[in-house]
Amino acid sequence: KNQVEQSPQSLIILEGKNCTLQCNYTVSPFSNLRWYKQDTGRGPVSLTIMTFSENTKSNGRYTATLDADTKQSSLHITASQLSDSASYICVVRDYGGSQGNLIFGKGTKLSVKP
Amino acid sequence: DTGVSQDPRHKITKRGQNVTFRCDPISEHNRLYWYRQTLGQGPEFLTYFQNEAQLEKSRLLSDRFSAERPKGSFSTLEIQRTEQGDSAMYLCASSGMWDTSTDTQYFGPGTRLTVL
Repeated sequence: KNQVEQSPQSLIILEGKNCTLQCNYTVSPFSNLRWYKQDTGRGPVSLTIMTFSENTKSNGRYTATLDADTKQSSLHITASQLSDSASYICVVRDYGGSQGNLIFGKGTKLSVKP
Repeated sequence: DTGVSQDPRHKITKRGQNVTFRCDPISEHNRLYWYRQTLGQGPEFLTYFQNEAQLEKSRLLSDRFSAERPKGSFSTLEIQRTEQGDSAMYLCASSGMWDTSTDTQYFGPGTRLTVL
């Protein structure tokens, strides 16, 4: 069964600190993996997309990694800011799948405290 | 505002009533998606349109749910005879790249439905 598991479920860090969120998936065959940021009460916003051949991709203070062999991805946030407080959702698409075959994780809720 | 918009943002209704939500996608996008999200969960796919054609429907979309996109622009999602289990955030997204495998879906702010 295609699944996306994220950890931790929630995380509290102090402003200025770094953190790493994890995503493990069992989706096969794999097409791409996306990280979304979702502010409370808002729709998700895409941060990065990674295909099979990509290992690292950065978007400002966000750096995503992908290990397609172990089916793991991480999202590293550097020098966190209060505005980083949100849920971060890992989404995997299987190759050749329909539009409905985006597999969403439950998200990691990040709280950045002053 | 050139993003995806949804209306209303919040809806409170009594069990058994019908509700209708509207989504206006980014104007040049030809694909439109509806998702449902409950607290602490990721979005769950409901249905997908390419232009005015509804190409996919999830098994989550029971007979009480219907979606339309009559002119290939805005879309409506109607829930008939609402149940308490329908309480959720209903998200709309649109995309427009030719390569459907990598296109980015742009989400609207969602409509939060509460069924009493």
